[in-house]
Amino acid sequence: GNSVTQMEGPVTLSEEAFLTINCTYTATGYPSLFWYVQYPGEGLQLLLKATKADDKGSNKGFEATYRKETTSFHLEKGSVQVSDSAVYFCALSLAFTGGGNKLTFGTGTQLKVEL
Amino acid sequence: DTAVSQTPKYLVTQMGNDKSIKCEQNLGHDTMYWYKQDSKKFLKIMFSYNNKELIINETVPNRFSPKSPDKAHLNLHINSLELGDSAVYFCASSQPLAGAQGEQYFGPGTRLTVT
Repeated sequence: GNSVTQMEGPVTLSEEAFLTINCTYTATGYPSLFWYVQYPGEGLQLLLKATKADDKGSNKGFEATYRKETTSFHLEKGSVQVSDSAVYFCALSLAFTGGGNKLTFGTGTQLKVEL
Repeated sequence: DTAVSQTPKYLVTQMGNDKSIKCEQNLGHDTMYWYKQDSKKFLKIMFSYNNKELIINETVPNRFSPKSPDKAHLNLHINSLELGDSAVYFCASSQPLAGAQGEQYFGPGTRLTVT
């Protein structure tokens, strides 16, 4: 089956610290990989994505590289801000017969950034 | 303009009642989804509709019945509510032809509390 494993939270960092959130996956087929972010009280927003091996997705200073050999898609940011405090979800996506795609999410990692 | 909207935002009800959650998207997408997020933030797909046809139906109790009156709307009706149904329910939409690469756009969520 398909599954996503991401590191347990919460992760607490000081502002300007380096962030890594680990994500590994197992999939039947060739998935696309996503990071979604959920700010308090809101729905999920796409942060970045990568659709094939060695692709790097990046947005707002965050980046992640699709590593097929290690089945990983780790999220990194060089210098976090208080406004980055949120829950981060790693997800794999496979096309579904009949249209659309099926997202399988990791458990989410809560990030808290302090001054 | 809100891309994916849900009503109500909060829903508090008693066990045994029947309730509905409504979802509308103005993105022109053909595919819509319902997800359940439990108290530990874990997200799991429940249903997907493409152009008003059911295409994904995960292992969900048949007390849950989605209905899509048109491509822009996907409602979720829940009969005989149970304590375990308490969760945040998210609606999402995507372009079907985007396949695995397609970004899903999420609504703000409906927090259902069953007492």
